[in-house]
Amino acid sequence: GENVEQHPSTLSVQEGDSAVIKCTYSDSASNYFPWYKQELGKRPQLIIDIRSNVGEKKDQRIAVTLNKTAKHFSLHITETQPEDSAVYFCAASSPGPANAGNMLTFGGGTRLMVKP
Amino acid sequence: EPEVTQTPSHQVTQMGQEVILRCVPISNHLYFYWYRQILGQKVEFLVSFYNNEISEKSEIFDDQFSVERPDGSNFTLKIRSTKLEDSAMYFCASSEARTRGGELFFGEGSRLTVL
Repeated sequence: GENVEQHPSTLSVQEGDSAVIKCTYSDSASNYFPWYKQELGKRPQLIIDIRSNVGEKKDQRIAVTLNKTAKHFSLHITETQPEDSAVYFCAASSPGPANAGNMLTFGGGTRLMVKP
Repeated sequence: EPEVTQTPSHQVTQMGQEVILRCVPISNHLYFYWYRQILGQKVEFLVSFYNNEISEKSEIFDDQFSVERPDGSNFTLKIRSTKLEDSAMYFCASSEARTRGGELFFGEGSRLTVL
């Protein structure tokens, strides 16, 4: 099955700096890669996603890049703010049975701390 | 904005007891999921459900687990005889369709503590 590795496990940056989180996946058939932000005690919330037919996607201060050949994808947050502090999870979804929905395999998470 | 809702938010139970966690997915969604997150660890897939049957399940989802959609709105996860290692946050999620959008919407979670 799919295996997703995520690095680093913790990341501390100064407010205004950029943060980069990287993930690798094992299943070359995976075609959907979302990123979730989880604040303490809260639900994971989708912040950005990318499909395998796209190499890069940007939404204001966040961007995701995908390298299908190398099987890795990255989250980039620019101009970080204290409210960006949270745990970020990458995930990958590979095609499966038509009735299987979107079964996600998550990475281990990155605790991002933005210091004011 | 529509949300996935879950009850209870926290349940404490004794080992060996049965537990039912309840979820109300977003109304026009077709796929339903349960995930769990042991404290400080990654979110793990348990099961997906479509058209009133399990479509995929992980190794974690053994015979002690079952899911049901007893009516048009609720989606439940039952753990028949809880073990200490079942202590975790259980997230219900739903999605509109597999290919269109594909976004999973998660509930707030049900924290299960097995003593």
